[in-house]
Amino acid sequence: IVLAQSPGTLSLSPGERATLSCRASQSVTSGYLAWYQQKPGQAPRLVIYATSSRATGIPDRFSGSESGTEFTLTISRLEPEDFAVYYCQQYATSPHTFGQGTKLEIK
Amino acid sequence: QVQLQESGPGLVKPSETLSLTCSVSGASFTNYYWTWIRQPPGKGLEYIGYIYYKGSTNYNPSLESRVSISVDTSNNQFSLRLRSVTAADTAVYYCASTSRGRPFDDWGQGILVTVSS
Repeated sequence: IVLAQSPGTLSLSPGERATLSCRASQSVTSGYLAWYQQKPGQAPRLVIYATSSRATGIPDRFSGSESGTEFTLTISRLEPEDFAVYYCQQYATSPHTFGQGTKLEIK
Repeated sequence: QVQLQESGPGLVKPSETLSLTCSVSGASFTNYYWTWIRQPPGKGLEYIGYIYYKGSTNYNPSLESRVSISVDTSNNQFSLRLRSVTAADTAVYYCASTSRGRPFDDWGQGILVTVSS
């Protein structure tokens, strides 16, 4: 399954709403799609799993949703610590593929 | 929460074999799929493959001809071997854990491996 993320870069200000998209080339069985946050020099951190479930310790300003083969990560009000690269990943079908990433940067 | 730590040489010569080990602590070694993922500098994440604690494996078809993952349950470790490396294999290599129907919940800090003569 190929995952295409958009936009490549998103420039926003703290307090604004961020909407990141991940489009799958085919159906993702059981909604097995996750989102990871990666900051420079760090390993990725799980944010959302199973399309819309928040990982442990993730604040409720992060939410996930889907419409068909399009998945969305929404950050309702950006905090300074949210600026990072976000990757989507499907774990329904092997090989478990990642999207190419969206860089969320401070405007 | 599972703790994972990668170890191995940071420099490998072209055409040689890259070998890394991941040490696991903080959880039972059973019932997990132990995974390797890599990230070339400035680029995205690539799934390499996983091994189930019982020994069954799954590899990314793009790497399958060169990769092998093994497990040492007595020492709570699993290992990656990537043969015939080139500069394109230069990356940060991460080990991670997952289980059935789960994403990659826990990750090691990553280890940079450079392929150069």
